[in-house]
Amino acid sequence: SQTIHQWPATLVQPVGSPLSLECTVEGTSNPNLYWYRQAAGRGLQLLFYSVGIGQISSEVPQNLSASRPQDRQFILSSKKLLLSDSGFYLCAWSMAPTSSEQYFGPGTRLTVT
Amino acid sequence: QQPVQSPQAVILREGEDAVINCSSSKALYSVHWYRQKHGEAPVFLMILLKGGEQKGHEKISASFNEKKQQSSLYLTASQLSYSGTYFCGTEETSGSRLTFGEGTQLTVNP
Repeated sequence: SQTIHQWPATLVQPVGSPLSLECTVEGTSNPNLYWYRQAAGRGLQLLFYSVGIGQISSEVPQNLSASRPQDRQFILSSKKLLLSDSGFYLCAWSMAPTSSEQYFGPGTRLTVT
Repeated sequence: QQPVQSPQAVILREGEDAVINCSSSKALYSVHWYRQKHGEAPVFLMILLKGGEQKGHEKISASFNEKKQQSSLYLTASQLSYSGTYFCGTEETSGSRLTFGEGTQLTVNP
């Protein structure tokens, strides 16, 4: 069966510091991968998605970037965090277009102070 | 464009029924429904495809009216475990990105 991992689970970082969040998927090959951010009490905002190694599509211009160095690894980064980057970051995978339902990782709660 | 969910919040007593609606201004290929409990990740419930196909899951079912670009989630004989925030996600074409609504917070009390 497929599982998705994210780490760290929680993170407190000062403004201006760098960020690296990692997501890995097990039990499937060539998945579509997604990064979402969720502000408190709000919906899911798609940040990036990837259909393959090295292929990244950005949905929202910002100070974040994403990379996919391996088939089942997706990394979210920032060189300098802003207060507005605080939120709940969720990684998800799907087998679109064959099967478009998405399965989410446990998330990383980021607080920028 | 983001789908609109209604109501924003609903409070039920155990055993009561509820309907959550999701409406889009664009033609849709599919509608997805997810449930998120506080502090946890969203969990996939079901997908409804163009053609009005209705798929159920235990005591939760849904419908999709593609002509009106609307979907409704039906929760019957609600249980305490149904509490959480329900999100619809819409897909305009097969394999395209999902756009999520703002969510409907459902609270089921004993």
